[in-house]
Amino acid sequence: GAVVSQHPSWVICKSGTSVKIECRSLDFQATTMFWYRQFPKQSLMLMATSNEGSKATYEQGVEKDKFLINHASLTLSTLTVTSAHPEDSSFYICSAPNRDQEQFFGPGTRLTVL
Amino acid sequence: AQSVAQPEDQVNVAEGNPLTVKCTYSVSGNPYLFWYVQYPNRGLQFLLKYITGDNLVKGSYGFEAEFNKSQTSFHLKKPSALVSDSALYFCAVRDMVGTALIFGKGTTLSVSS
Repeated sequence: GAVVSQHPSWVICKSGTSVKIECRSLDFQATTMFWYRQFPKQSLMLMATSNEGSKATYEQGVEKDKFLINHASLTLSTLTVTSAHPEDSSFYICSAPNRDQEQFFGPGTRLTVL
Repeated sequence: AQSVAQPEDQVNVAEGNPLTVKCTYSVSGNPYLFWYVQYPNRGLQFLLKYITGDNLVKGSYGFEAEFNKSQTSFHLKKPSALVSDSALYFCAVRDMVGTALIFGKGTTLSVSS
């Protein structure tokens, strides 16, 4: 089946720094990718829809200047957490649908902000 | 707006017994329904989906789910639970092609030996 990768798988950073997370579709092209956030033992909350070649669509309550999304190619979307703070610590998961609209999820990125 | 409800935070079952994890949904159009499993600190693994066709859907690892339109339910079932089935299970829905999945809060399945 299709594979979606994320890099890094985990990252620890100091408060105030920015962190970039990559999401790649390895064997298919995705004009749309989705970014989710998951707190421990909780559900996945949709943060934004990443659209190749255009601006991302953010869910209500998600700060677009805080969580910068860039979808520069058909296989890569990046999420940058700017000026990260401890409350941004979470598990970030991306997903991408293939042309048959099957959703494939990345393995997730664990962000810890000290 | 779409929504998914998983009424049970935790389901406990003995190994070898049948298991059911409940899910109800609300969508404005025809539902696309999914079940995923998540092990600690891991991503989501796809179990099965309902798009159209037979109401009983068979998926990975011996799991199945039954789509019930009148009850707007999509319960996950397995005839004989394994200890290795212990994990966090998510039901998800979308009502349009190309849109994101909306997830339920998740149900922790604990299978005891």
